[in-house]
Amino acid sequence: GENVEQHPSTLSVQEGDSAVIKCTYSDSASNYFPWYKQELGKRPQLIIDIRSNVGEKKDQRIAVTLNKTAKHFSLHITETQPEDSAVYFCAALYSGAGSYQLTFGKGTKLSVIP
Amino acid sequence: NAGVMQNPRHLVRRRGQEARLRCSPMKGHSHVYWYRQLPEEGLKFMVYLQKENIIDESGMPKERFSAEFPKEGPSILRIQQVVRGDSAAYFCASSPPGMLISDTEAFFGQGTRLTVV
Repeated sequence: GENVEQHPSTLSVQEGDSAVIKCTYSDSASNYFPWYKQELGKRPQLIIDIRSNVGEKKDQRIAVTLNKTAKHFSLHITETQPEDSAVYFCAALYSGAGSYQLTFGKGTKLSVIP
Repeated sequence: NAGVMQNPRHLVRRRGQEARLRCSPMKGHSHVYWYRQLPEEGLKFMVYLQKENIIDESGMPKERFSAEFPKEGPSILRIQQVVRGDSAAYFCASSPPGMLISDTEAFFGQGTRLTVV
């Protein structure tokens, strides 16, 4: 199966600075890597994803990079704002024997200090 | 088009009782995934179901836990004889049929927060 490691577990940045969260995965067959944002008491919500045929994807202040050789992918948030404060989860899609599992990292609690 | 609906939102059970958690997927979705989230932790895969079929239950504890997704009605996650360690948030996600989950996002419900006292 898949194993996803996420670092750091907590991250504090000043408003306006950048935040970077890194994940590594173990299964080289994984081909889909979404990132979810979860605010306290709420459901995880997809914020960006990347597939294995691209190395980078950007959506306004959020970008994700993927290095398939090294089996790691990262989330970059630029010009952080207080509303970016939340727990962020990376995930990797593992497929095998007709089943598809999203395996999640343990999360990064991001605090943006005004 | 309503999103993924889970109920109840909060559930309190005494040790030894049964807990039933319901998940109605988005309209047109026939794939359901259940995840458990312990406090301060990430989401852990439990089970993947399609209508009337359990596709992968490798993340489900072998005892006391079961899941179903009948032809009609919501998917049910059932926990028998609950213990304190079952206290967690249980999320379900759904995705459309005929497509890999990587072709579309998995939509999560609001979750059911189970508290065992």
